[in-house]
Amino acid sequence: KAGVTQTPRYLIKTRGQQVTLSCSPISGHRSVSWYQQTPGQGLQFLFEYFSETQRNKGNFPGRFSGRQFSNSRSEMNVSTLELGDSALYLCASSLNQGLREKLFFGSGTQLSVL
Amino acid sequence: DAKTTQPNSMESNEEEPVHLPCNHSTISGTDYIHWYRQLPSQGPEYVIHGLTSNVNNRMASLAIAEDRKSSTLILHRATLRDAAVYYCILKTSYDKVIFGPGTSLSVIP
Repeated sequence: KAGVTQTPRYLIKTRGQQVTLSCSPISGHRSVSWYQQTPGQGLQFLFEYFSETQRNKGNFPGRFSGRQFSNSRSEMNVSTLELGDSALYLCASSLNQGLREKLFFGSGTQLSVL
Repeated sequence: DAKTTQPNSMESNEEEPVHLPCNHSTISGTDYIHWYRQLPSQGPEYVIHGLTSNVNNRMASLAIAEDRKSSTLILHRATLRDAAVYYCILKTSYDKVIFGPGTSLSVIP
């Protein structure tokens, strides 16, 4: 079974631009969540989608948004990029939503904002 | 908000047991404790999870304190492939995922 696939692997943008990251979950998984990883703040939860609906959101500004499609694939968008948005963005999928569900992570998209 | 704390780094000799601690004193009654590990250039990988009772699987054991304010991940025989950053995570009743700062484990041959 293929794992979680994130594209692109690397991305370079300039301040003020917007970016869209893509995540394809493991086949059959219905929940997708997104995380930001930086050296200073560590891993932080962005949001979770289940059945095309955002179920929860972390403490990030409205510039960070996402969506989930009917095939469970998900996209994350960051508008008006700031230097501090440079990070590794990780996507994880799980079979269902819930506290006991194991998360399966992709390798991430490394975003650099210049 | 719930929070977890972990030592920044730990060392272990190969083939010896490793005990990785995590404090989560603000844990709520229904929050689950998860452990993941992350190798360089990879996303985190699931290790184990539990609620109240101690748990064992083929990778590790999880010992949860009776008051649930701390837990310990136990690797029974460390190998060089176990060198990674280990994250203690709370999955809360509000469906938030709260990561600890991670412990970087070095395994000495």
